[in-house]
Amino acid sequence: AQTVTQSQPEMSVQEAETVTLSCTYDTSESDYYLFWYKQPPSRQMILVIRQEAYKQQNATENRFSVNFQKAAKSFSLKISDSQLGDAAMYFCALQGGSEKLVFGKGTKLTVNP
Amino acid sequence: DTGVSQDPRHKITKRGQNVTFRCDPISEHNRLYWYRQTLGQGPEFLTYFQNEAQLEKSRLLSDRFSAERPKGSFSTLEIQRTEQGDSAMYLCASSSADGFSSYEQYFGPGTRLTVT
Repeated sequence: AQTVTQSQPEMSVQEAETVTLSCTYDTSESDYYLFWYKQPPSRQMILVIRQEAYKQQNATENRFSVNFQKAAKSFSLKISDSQLGDAAMYFCALQGGSEKLVFGKGTKLTVNP
Repeated sequence: DTGVSQDPRHKITKRGQNVTFRCDPISEHNRLYWYRQTLGQGPEFLTYFQNEAQLEKSRLLSDRFSAERPKGSFSTLEIQRTEQGDSAMYLCASSSADGFSSYEQYFGPGTRLTVT
């Protein structure tokens, strides 16, 4: 079975500062994808960033970057220069051996002005 | 707006009643997924379609649940004899696929079901 664990139910950050959200996963698949999704309050889920497991280079998307440690099965998300609009639930997700996404329980990020 | 749409957005029903939800994917997407999200949890996979074929179903999808995608376009999810434990947000997502490659899943706004 594939699992995704997010150990931080809540995090907070000051506007313009940097925050890192943690995620660990477990899979027996050799080929898989990892994702971070953002779910703002009462709004739909949107993809933040995606990482292919076969790529050693960490993915980046503007202010968002990941630290992918394949051996440790760790996939953390770093948000730089945090903005008020970054406040949301963040979900780490795994896709491997199947089309379905397996999600963690999420981390609620609060951005303080 | 050409994103994934879901209808209704909210549904309140009494225990024992049947409910049906609709999902319209992004028009060029051939894959469609259903997930269920309960309060404080991440979404859990229910089922997915490639075109009109239902290719995978979760064990969460009990006999009371049925999903269809009759012409490979919109999909419906029906819950028969609803129970209070069915109260959740039901999310639909769609993606395109190229051979064995699958791409980003785009999510709809969800249908929030409350069973009283």
